[in-house]
Amino acid sequence: DAGVTQSPTHLIKTRGQQVTLRCSPKSGHDTVSWYQQALGQGPQFIFQYYEEEERQRGNFPDRFSGHQFPNYSSELNVNALLLGDSALYLCASSLLAPTGGPTDTQYFGPGTRLTVL
Amino acid sequence: GEDVEQSLFLSVREGDSSVINCTYTDSSSTYLYWYKQEPGAGLQLLTYIFSNMDMKQDQRLTVLLNKKDKHLSLRIADTQTGDSAIYFCADSGGYQKVTFGTGTKLQVIP
Repeated sequence: DAGVTQSPTHLIKTRGQQVTLRCSPKSGHDTVSWYQQALGQGPQFIFQYYEEEERQRGNFPDRFSGHQFPNYSSELNVNALLLGDSALYLCASSLLAPTGGPTDTQYFGPGTRLTVL
Repeated sequence: GEDVEQSLFLSVREGDSSVINCTYTDSSSTYLYWYKQEPGAGLQLLTYIFSNMDMKQDQRLTVLLNKKDKHLSLRIADTQTGDSAIYFCADSGGYQKVTFGTGTKLQVIP
């Protein structure tokens, strides 16, 4: 059973460019969340997708957008890259409980290391 | 907004117990988690506790929750060198939005 996978592993971009990161959730999971982890910091919640819609969003600008596909995989897009966007981007998948309440486990992928020069 | 705080560093000798502490501010937290992150790796869920529990034990791990003081701790018994990593405390309110602390780096001295 494959866990959460992310691609690419590493990425180098220059300021002003756009980037797309990809995530495949753990088998059987239907919810994908994205986090940004700057060096030496804890992960910061960007947003969460369920049923191809953004359910919740953290304090990130509109330059950060996402998408979820019918197979539950997800993309994170960042436009007009800034030096401060350099970070490890983590994807987490989980199963939304039938009642719509929180579930107890999010499984994280290994992350994509984005460097903006 | 929600805030989760942890001490930055802990050093213990192999075989001793480690206790990592965390405080949080969100009184609506439903679940509280401990994650482990090794260098260059993603986050590994170690254990979690429901907010209506006081304690949870899972093999070498013991989680204590003081909901009144909004204090969470993780005790690792018989700490091994393989336990060296960064440990993140996190809380979750509705819709699985998880707020992480800044992490505690655990150094295990052989």
